[in-house]
Amino acid sequence: DQQVKQNSPSLSVQEGRISILNCDYTNSMFDYFLWYKKYPAEGPTFLISISSIKDKNEDGRFTVFLNKSAKHLSLHIVPSQPGDSAVYFCAAKRQSGGYQKVTFGTGTKLQVIP
Amino acid sequence: NAGVTQTPKFQVLKTGQSMTLQCAQDMNHNSMYWYRQDPGMGLRLIYYSASEGTTDKGEVPNGYNVSRLNKREFSLRLESAAPSQTSVYFCASSEGGRGVGTGELFFGEGSRLTVL
Repeated sequence: DQQVKQNSPSLSVQEGRISILNCDYTNSMFDYFLWYKKYPAEGPTFLISISSIKDKNEDGRFTVFLNKSAKHLSLHIVPSQPGDSAVYFCAAKRQSGGYQKVTFGTGTKLQVIP
Repeated sequence: NAGVTQTPKFQVLKTGQSMTLQCAQDMNHNSMYWYRQDPGMGLRLIYYSASEGTTDKGEVPNGYNVSRLNKREFSLRLESAAPSQTSVYFCASSEGGRGVGTGELFFGEGSRLTVL
């Protein structure tokens, strides 16, 4: 049962334009959602998160939107830069037995074309 | 500041051989995790340790064992490697514990394992 889904395996965007990466989830118990960025041959690194009680969080060029009724979140990157080319993982956290459990999506490979 | 360190970075095994992946973190985090990454499958949790002295199974624990040696170290052992265990393995840590947190994980650089 894939509780966190990223239905687009890849996305290509021109430099300077907006990149929109999407993620859907099924478990209503998730209380935080996160985006991670991963370059080849490196570990994932945390990018931005949002609490389930918020609908938007912004950090520089990165904004995450949460639509709880649709169980959908998206990451907007404006403007996109070639250095943003990477795999982006959506993740969701819930408390389980008092501890934190994080579930990841399958990732979206973003290519920003100069 | 090293963060999360994994060894080895690369390993080739023959079917049936055993090996241990080592992981250490220097951030005084309570929780540690082992994930595997496979094409089209994302990151799947193998085992986690919510705190020193405890370990629990994740989504794909079969064929693996773990040891939380102390607060810093969390090892993953393959007792009898199989080709299906060919993957990239990531160790991660988080503040964790019995508090409400964001779930932010800090990852190592990964260990690429090939089982022939």
